[in-house]
Amino acid sequence: KQEVTQIPAALSVPEGENLVLNCSFTDSAIYNLQWFRQDPGKGLTSLLLIQSSQREQTSGRLNASLDKSSGRSTLYIAASQPGDSATYLCAVDNQAGTALIFGKGTTLSVSS
Amino acid sequence: GAGVSQSPSNKVTEKGKDVELRCDPISGHTALYWYRQRLGQGLEFLIYFQGNSAPDKSGLPSDRFSAERTGESVSTLTIQRTQQEDSAVYLCASSAGLTHTDTQYFGPGTRLTVL
Repeated sequence: KQEVTQIPAALSVPEGENLVLNCSFTDSAIYNLQWFRQDPGKGLTSLLLIQSSQREQTSGRLNASLDKSSGRSTLYIAASQPGDSATYLCAVDNQAGTALIFGKGTTLSVSS
Repeated sequence: GAGVSQSPSNKVTEKGKDVELRCDPISGHTALYWYRQRLGQGLEFLIYFQGNSAPDKSGLPSDRFSAERTGESVSTLTIQRTQQEDSAVYLCASSAGLTHTDTQYFGPGTRLTVL
């Protein structure tokens, strides 16, 4: 059974710092891995999707890497801003492509 | 264009009552998913639709939960005889449904509170 773990559960940093969020999964037979952002009281916003054949994806200050064989992904946020404060969720597909399996998330707080 | 919408945004009900939650996916998206997020827990998959069919219902926690989709559009999640443990945010998502790598787009969720 696929399990997704995110470390740390919470992180507080001052504005301007670069930071890394970690995600690990137990079954490497995935089609893709997605990183989402969740703001309080709102739905999820997709940040980056990495297909299993890819090693990384970049969008603005965000860079996500995928090491499928070791079951790991990292989300790198450069020059963090208070507006980056949110919960970041990592998810992988369930091979059948019928569902995403989520980690419990990392709650990020960026102070000005 | 419009994103995924859900209604109501909040629902408070008494234990034992039935509730219906609605999801309007992005127009043209054939795949639709329901998840729930209980307090302090990760998102749990409930059910997947491709068109109007539900080939994967493996996440429904009990026979009190059911869902349907009509016109390859709107979906309704019904919870019968609600229990306090059903309290959660129920999230709906849709995707183009063409490949395993399609991005899922999420609605804002319905917060269900069972008293």
